[in-house]
Amino acid sequence: KAGVTQTPRYLIKTRGQQVTLSCSPISGHRSVSWYQQTPGQGLQFLFEYFSETQRNKGNFPGRFSGRQFSNSRSEMNVSTLELGDSALYLCASSFGGTLGDTQYFGPGTRLTVL
Amino acid sequence: EDQVTQSPEALRLQEGESSSLNCSYTVSGLRGLFWYRQDPGKGPEFLFTLYSAGEEKEKERLKATLTKKESFLHITAPKPEDSATYLCAVQARLKNDMRFGAGTRLTVKP
Repeated sequence: KAGVTQTPRYLIKTRGQQVTLSCSPISGHRSVSWYQQTPGQGLQFLFEYFSETQRNKGNFPGRFSGRQFSNSRSEMNVSTLELGDSALYLCASSFGGTLGDTQYFGPGTRLTVL
Repeated sequence: EDQVTQSPEALRLQEGESSSLNCSYTVSGLRGLFWYRQDPGKGPEFLFTLYSAGEEKEKERLKATLTKKESFLHITAPKPEDSATYLCAVQARLKNDMRFGAGTRLTVKP
């Protein structure tokens, strides 16, 4: 069974640009969550999508947005990039149930903003 | 506000020297507590999910336990390949995000 895949694995952008990251969940999983990981703040929740709807959102500015497609694949977009957006962006998928649903993570996309 | 605190921040063990990692949490109604292992430059790898106080789960040299305030990850006779950062996360009722601790960086020397 294939795991969670994320593309691209590495990205280098400059301040002010925008970026789109992609995540393909495990087959059969309907929930996709996005996290930002930095050395200083650790793993922080960005948002979760379930059946093409954003179900929950963390405390990030509106420059961070996402969407989910009918096949459960998800994209995350960051507009007007800032230096502080440099991080490992992780996607996690789960069945999307309501009882302590286990999330499985992808390898991440390493974003560097210059 | 939901909080997760892991201790110690870093732990160095000799191969075969057993120890425990701690995860203390405060959450408004626990839906689940999760343990992950993360190697440098990779995504977290799922280890265990615990749902209620008193629950225990084991996998090879690892055993996770849960009380109403904390969870322990016991490592028995560790090997160098167990070296990694171990992350604890909680999920509260009526929420679909996970709140992560800062992690414990474990180093096992041969």
